[in-house]
Amino acid sequence: SQQGEEDPQALSIQEGENATMNCSYKTSINNLQWYRQNSGRGLVHLILIRSNEREKHSGRLRVTLDTSKKSSSLLITASRAADTASYFCATVFGDTGRRALTFGSGTRLQVQP
Amino acid sequence: DGGITQSPKYLFRKEGQNVTLSCEQNLNHDAMYWYRQDPGQGLRLIYYSQIVNDFQKGDIAEGYSVSREKKESFPLTVTSAQKNPTAFYLCASSTQGPGFLNYGYTFGSGTRLTVV
Repeated sequence: SQQGEEDPQALSIQEGENATMNCSYKTSINNLQWYRQNSGRGLVHLILIRSNEREKHSGRLRVTLDTSKKSSSLLITASRAADTASYFCATVFGDTGRRALTFGSGTRLQVQP
Repeated sequence: DGGITQSPKYLFRKEGQNVTLSCEQNLNHDAMYWYRQDPGQGLRLIYYSQIVNDFQKGDIAEGYSVSREKKESFPLTVTSAQKNPTAFYLCASSTQGPGFLNYGYTFGSGTRLTVV
């Protein structure tokens, strides 16, 4: 099952604009991770936020986590054409005992030069 | 360089055939995973293994089989029982040591399987 769901499914912006993607999940988590996938390629790990953290930064990326609302957001600032990719959230659920990531359906980001 | 290698990049399967996808890592990771991705979709977990000679079913294990005889290798066999195997298959690995929840996965570049 895919318990993480991204919103929007697709996003098109101009270079230099900020891009915000949201992820919602249904059960308690240990951590939440964001990955990037270029078309036809494997996924690349971007950033991990633990359940006791509220915000984390990495370069132009900013991730927030609201465990009360079971949601996370990924903000890419000053986007570039090279940021065009699909972005997925993924979680390890704390109450299932399964030690494997469950991925959301992804947001396809298109950055127009 | 450390990494995870999937082969082949493209694979064609005839109806009724079993095919095996290779996944090798030299990252010294204990855990390895297989995911399936259909066009425009997220990843679905097929099987995962936390340690040699042990593995667990994921959400869509039917029609697939795996083995974990070596730490470095986690091959996936798509059997004839898998009725709709055309998809992009991704292998990943991760550490399982102390603080494993603080680390992400390393993915291979994928194998695209097509039934002909």
